[in-house]
Amino acid sequence: KAGVTQTPRYLIKTRGQQVTLSCSPISGHRSVSWYQQTPGQGLQFLFEYFSETQRNKGNFPGRFSGRQFSNSRSEMNVSTLELGDSALYLCASSGAEAGGAETQYFGPGTRLLVL
Amino acid sequence: AQKITQTQPGMFVQEKEAVTLDCTYDTSDQSYGLFWYKQPSSGEMIFLIYQGSYDEQNATEGRYSLNFQKARKSANLVISASQLGDSAMYFCAMSDSWGKLQFGAGTQVVVTP
Repeated sequence: KAGVTQTPRYLIKTRGQQVTLSCSPISGHRSVSWYQQTPGQGLQFLFEYFSETQRNKGNFPGRFSGRQFSNSRSEMNVSTLELGDSALYLCASSGAEAGGAETQYFGPGTRLLVL
Repeated sequence: AQKITQTQPGMFVQEKEAVTLDCTYDTSDQSYGLFWYKQPSSGEMIFLIYQGSYDEQNATEGRYSLNFQKARKSANLVISASQLGDSAMYFCAMSDSWGKLQFGAGTQVVVTP
């Protein structure tokens, strides 16, 4: 099975712009989660989607949003970019149906640099 | 609230030796999962091993084993026979009942010849 894929792998934006990141989960996985990784804050949970519905949300401002499509692919959008949004954004998929401790498999990440 | 603590920021280990990475956690949930991930410099998080809170046996996956001590709330990772390719950042993580992962700060492992 192909793993989790994320596009683009690298992105440079300027403050005030918006950005959309894409994630394709492992075939058959319906749960997609997004995480932000920075040197200062470590790995932080952004949100999780299951069957096109946001099922869980972390403590991030409303500038961070996401969606999931019927084929389970997910996109994450950050509007009005700030310097502090520079980070590695990781997407993970799992076969979890009703929640629970299913293993999450991660993609290679998107490195976002905001200038 | 859940919390994961990794107290070792970095470790050096010689090739072919075993290394233990510490992880302690705090949760009020009865059901939870504990995971270890490896992150090489490329950035991808690679799943290594999983332990469920109700599992009585310690998990093992090849050279990786998880030393689970529930009463002490610890879930240490043991890597046996270290290889140069094991050099990476290692994260301990815990999932809540909804599967949301909370990560520790990580331990940087450097394997030397």
